[in-house]
Amino acid sequence: GQNIDQPTEMTATEGAIVQINCTYQTSGFNGLFWYQQHAGEAPTFLSYNVLDGLEEKGRFSSFLSRSKGYSYLLLKELQMKDSASYLCAVRDDSNYQLIWGAGTKLIIKP
Amino acid sequence: KAGVTQTPRYLIKTRGQQVTLSCSPISGHRSVSWYQQTPGQGLQFLFEYFSETQRNKGNFPGRFSGRQFSNSRSEMNVSTLELGDSALYLCASAPGTSKNIQYFGAGTRLSVL
Repeated sequence: GQNIDQPTEMTATEGAIVQINCTYQTSGFNGLFWYQQHAGEAPTFLSYNVLDGLEEKGRFSSFLSRSKGYSYLLLKELQMKDSASYLCAVRDDSNYQLIWGAGTKLIIKP
Repeated sequence: KAGVTQTPRYLIKTRGQQVTLSCSPISGHRSVSWYQQTPGQGLQFLFEYFSETQRNKGNFPGRFSGRQFSNSRSEMNVSTLELGDSALYLCASAPGTSKNIQYFGAGTRLSVL
């Protein structure tokens, strides 16, 4: 079956680093996406990985290992505004549909 | 470049009524996907339209339907509303090719009383 697992909630301190993990089991793979969603708002695109390795974009980085069915989102120099839910999604190459995880709620404390 | 526009932003209906939601994608995007989001449930995929054809469909009852017009604008219809249909309905547009990154509208918050 199709399954994406993320921790439900994480807490971190302002200025610190946090890693949000995502593991997936899908019948096919054609890319992994990370989105950020603030409470009451729409998700916004953060990163896209289709090849193994690390993609860095400012304070945010995303890593992918296709052989392990594993990705993580790394957030550095955490700011209060980073408090949000982070959604992991995998595109199934059999039908190009996005399979979504339930999201990880990240709480930043001063 | 204008983003994805969803109308209306808020809607209150009663059980048994029907509702139509609208989504205007980013100019040039040919793919429109619809999602339902409820607290603690994450994004539940409803359907995707590409060039006026339904390309994918999620596991929702037939009361949920949609369509896409030649200008890529899309509408979603829910008939015979139930209390459990109260949710945030999100539309996402994508180019339809290559990375096909989805960009979301602000959503329509539907309350069924």
